Amino acid sequence: SQQGEEDPQALSIQEGENATMNCSYKTSINNLQWYRQNSGRGLVHLILIRSNEREKHSGRLRVTLDTSKKSSSLLITASRAADTASYFCATTTSYGKLTFGQGTILTVHP
Amino acid sequence: EPEVTQTPSHQVTQMGQEVILRCVPISNHLYFYWYRQILGQKVEFLVSFYNNEISEKSEIFDDQFSVERPDGSNFTLKIRSTKLEDSAMYFCASSEVQVNYGYTFGSGTRLTVV
Repeated sequence: SQQGEEDPQALSIQEGENATMNCSYKTSINNLQWYRQNSGRGLVHLILIRSNEREKHSGRLRVTLDTSKKSSSLLITASRAADTASYFCATTTSYGKLTFGQGTILTVHP
Repeated sequence: EPEVTQTPSHQVTQMGQEVILRCVPISNHLYFYWYRQILGQKVEFLVSFYNNEISEKSEIFDDQFSVERPDGSNFTLKIRSTKLEDSAMYFCASSEVQVNYGYTFGSGTRLTVV
């Protein structure tokens, strides 16, 4: 698999439920970032976690990073219909270039 | 909130024609990037630009592609002779620092080569 592989590819939940998306990567990283993309739109930066951090919170978002397993997870709590979007993890090395995964398509049903 | 602005939002061009995609990064950002996303595929890095020169480019960014910052505000991507496989969404992004900082992406230009 390639750098930044998300799992699952698609996730369908009801409003109010939590959504968990996972990301695995292959090489050493400087940081890992999560982005959101609404259909046909640009990417919006959600949260960044550095390689020396294990967990980070931002509002309803919680990100974990396990560098020993080369994996990260994004948890969205109390999901809303407006959270429906594609979510991408992206890793960076020391040169700052982002390498994206395939993304998880999240659908939140009202 | 500051935005990265891309124009045009849609561009249709004939195969073999030159296109220029335009971007206005956030004014105090120093690092600029182009990415592309072919329909249904992952977002791919094309090129990064800092201090008026390319700092890194991908295998995709061949001699048909060039970037320029012609003035203090615009950042352009030129494709000299477009091919059908260049059809994609092209995203410009900028960041204040090189690492450990989230990028701000524009809304993209959808390029269709016919």
